[in-house]
Amino acid sequence: DIQMTQSPSSLSASVGDSVTITCRASRNINNYLNWYQQKPGKAPKLLIYAASSLQSGVPSRFSGSGSGTDFTLTISSLQPEDLATFYCQQSYSNPLYTFGQGTKVEIK
Amino acid sequence: EVQLVQSGGGLVQPGGSLRLSCAASGFSFRNNWMTWVRQAPGKGLEWVASIKQDGSEKYYVDSVKGRFTISRDNAENSLYLQMNSLRADDTAVYYCARDDQQLIFGYWYHQMDVWGQGTTVTVSS
Repeated sequence: DIQMTQSPSSLSASVGDSVTITCRASRNINNYLNWYQQKPGKAPKLLIYAASSLQSGVPSRFSGSGSGTDFTLTISSLQPEDLATFYCQQSYSNPLYTFGQGTKVEIK
Repeated sequence: EVQLVQSGGGLVQPGGSLRLSCAASGFSFRNNWMTWVRQAPGKGLEWVASIKQDGSEKYYVDSVKGRFTISRDNAENSLYLQMNSLRADDTAVYYCARDDQQLIFGYWYHQMDVWGQGTTVTVSS
């Protein structure tokens, strides 16, 4: 099984800050990596697929990078509505998917 | 509008059964793999099961193998999850999701791009 590890588990940042979340795979997954945002009480929402492709309708302040085992999600200018938990997910072993444990983003 | 609307769920005793449903609209359901994902209270997301477009292939997380069955009815645009021998650790919000495919530079990529609203399953005596 491919394990996904995110860091940090939580973070607090101010509006306008740049925020970076890291996801590490237990083995090489090329760029088969997706990012999701889950707001409290809501279903997850796809932000980034194939490591760096922005899903339609997602604000351009969100970006993804990485390949192999190390990936990052960056929010270039944090907004109040970005309060959420973010998850990475590998699709290399499709359809036996695994998610990271999540990173909770809070607004200072 | 592309959407998935879930039904089913509720409170069930340990060892009991429950069937979740997910009705698709606004897209060609028969063209997509479909997936169930769950989230235990205060925990992260866990992939549960996936089914191929024609139902010929089904995959499960180890913890539900032999107890859960994923199925679909393409004529009714519906996805199902039959859950038997339920345990307390099956307590979670269950989401259905569309497994979308994108061809990028000759390679197929999969991502869950449409999600249901979620339905709560509580296993307790």
